[in-house]
This record gives sequence, structure tokens and C-alpha cells, in this order.
Amino acid sequence: QTVVTQEPSLTVSPGGTVTLTCASSTGAVTSGYYPNWFQQKPGQAPRALIYNTSTKHSWTPARFSGSLLGGKAALTLSGVQPEDEAEYYCLLYYGGTHVFGTGTKVTVL
Amino acid sequence: EVQLVESGGGLVQPGGSLRLSCTASGFTFSNYWMSWVRQAPGKGLEWVTKISQDGSEKDYVDSVKGRFTISRDNAKNSLYLQMNSLRAEDTAVYYCATEAFDIWGQGTMVTVSS
Repeated sequence: QTVVTQEPSLTVSPGGTVTLTCASSTGAVTSGYYPNWFQQKPGQAPRALIYNTSTKHSWTPARFSGSLLGGKAALTLSGVQPEDEAEYYCLLYYGGTHVFGTGTKVTVL
Repeated sequence: EVQLVESGGGLVQPGGSLRLSCTASGFTFSNYWMSWVRQAPGKGLEWVTKISQDGSEKDYVDSVKGRFTISRDNAKNSLYLQMNSLRAEDTAVYYCATEAFDIWGQGTMVTVSS
């Protein structure tokens, strides 16, 4: 069973920078896994932020960026705002099926 | 307005069945693969299944194979999830989402309990 692992929690100060990562139990994450990133706030449906590793949706704030980093997919938040406090999930594609990451709770403090 | 609206959730006994629906509006539904994603209470997201534009291709997560069936009716702009042999661990909010996961519904709650 494929497992996609993220940091359980991260804390960042307002205006700071934080990087979330997304690792696959099958090995290094590449662009062929088409990494996606989502933000979810309590009681809400997930909101898409990034697709195909680094492409932003039209509504994605410029402070969010996606990349590959050390064999993992990564989401970097620069100039963090209080409204960025949320749960973040990555999603990887495995040739037909998809697997979500375990999620990272980002606290802005 | 681009929108997905799920319905059909509720309380069902273990071993029972339920059919979820997802109605699309504001975009050309028949052009897109569609997925169902679920989230157990207090837990993370889990991709469940997806279906191609014409319904000829389907994929499922192992835990629901043989129990859940995804289907669609492009004439009605609707996506369905037939859930049989339900278990307590199927309890979750079920979301439908578009091919690129850029559009999501608000979710419908399914509770499997006696």
C-alpha cells in the first residue's frame, strides 16, 4: 500500500516562510507524479492551490509556490498571512490512481 | 457559476447500501474525468474513485473495489457513487471533484452505524 507522507505540523510567524514536503513510499517524487497541493480550513471543502508540481491556479496567491526538493514535492509559503493557517494536503498520481498525503497542519503564530 | 452539488448522504446500517449523486453546473461536464474523494471525521483526505468522460474507464482505491461503483449520466450532468456492503470505516464526508481537482462540491456526509 502506497503511503504519501507529510510533516504532521509546522508553525510559522506572520511574514515568515515555511516549506511543506510530500514524500512517496515508492521512492523519489518526480514531475511524473503530477503533484497537487490543497488547502483546507475547518468545515470547508479543500481548495486547490498548485497542480503539475508548480503551476498555480488563477486564484492562488503569489506567496504560494510549488517545487521538487530532494526527491519530494514541496510547497513554500512566503510572507505568511494569518489566513494561511490551515491543513495542507499534497496529492500524487500513480498511473491511474491517486493518493493524498497525510496532511500538514500549519499554525501561524 | 461553476458548481458541484452532492446529495444522497445519510445514516445507513453496516452491510447496507447508499447512492450518492453529484450535479454539475457552469461547465461542460462531459469533457472531464470526475473523482470522488472522502474524509473520515477528523482525518485526512482519501481519493476513492474516478471515471472517464464517457464512463468507459474507471479506477478505484483498493479498499472499495468490489463494493463501490462510480457512474455518470452526461445528459443529466450528474455523477454517481453506488456504495454497497458498507462498513463503519466508510463513514466520511464524500466530495466530488473535477479531473484537475480544481472544482469541489461541499460534500455529503455518510454515516455507517447500527
